[in-house]
Amino acid sequence: EAQVTQNPRYLITVTGKKLTVTCSQNMNHEYMSWYRQDPGLGLRQIYYSMNVEVTDKGDVPEGYKVSRKEKRNFPLILESPSPNQTSLYFCASSLGQGPSPLHFGNGTRLTVT
Amino acid sequence: KQEVTQIPAALSVPEGENLVLNCSFTDSAIYNLQWFRQDPGKGLTSLLLIQSSQREQTSGRLNASLDKSSGRSTLYIAASQPGDSATYLCAVHSGGSNYKLTFGKGTLLTVNP
Repeated sequence: EAQVTQNPRYLITVTGKKLTVTCSQNMNHEYMSWYRQDPGLGLRQIYYSMNVEVTDKGDVPEGYKVSRKEKRNFPLILESPSPNQTSLYFCASSLGQGPSPLHFGNGTRLTVT
Repeated sequence: KQEVTQIPAALSVPEGENLVLNCSFTDSAIYNLQWFRQDPGKGLTSLLLIQSSQREQTSGRLNASLDKSSGRSTLYIAASQPGDSATYLCAVHSGGSNYKLTFGKGTLLTVNP
């Protein structure tokens, strides 16, 4: 089944403790992206990647890192999480060439205390 | 900077009614526009994608239109059902080779039996 898989679904951590949220897609998509969703602010793009080893900042990249060493994986890294990074995070992917729909994972709810 | 607005923020209708959701964007230089559905606690599901050169797209009971010059798109849902209850989001791809999407904040639709 074609899908975007994020792990974990839920994560509670403390300020400053490094964490990684994994994202994997099995559709051979070139484009992958991370979003955060907050009440009243909607979905905002954090980082995106057009292909392996090619990443770029979205609208709210501060406090986040990403890497794209393999086509299927696009992990989101929080080196020193802070409470303002408490949010619902989504990974998404698409073919990236021409008009192609975006496929989303089921989300990771992160709480930083 | 592209801004996307969705009106109304919430809508409640009786089952069987036809309805229209609205999306407006400030910069008409778009590559394509997508409509998504989000169920509570879930990721987004792509419903329809309209390329900038198209006027509308249809899938089952859903019809999306695009008027680039006026910066507007509508999602028409025919014969609404309780299972259509969800949040509907539109997202604009603002041109160029870098796949950057700007999302509206969504319309929460409730279809009452």
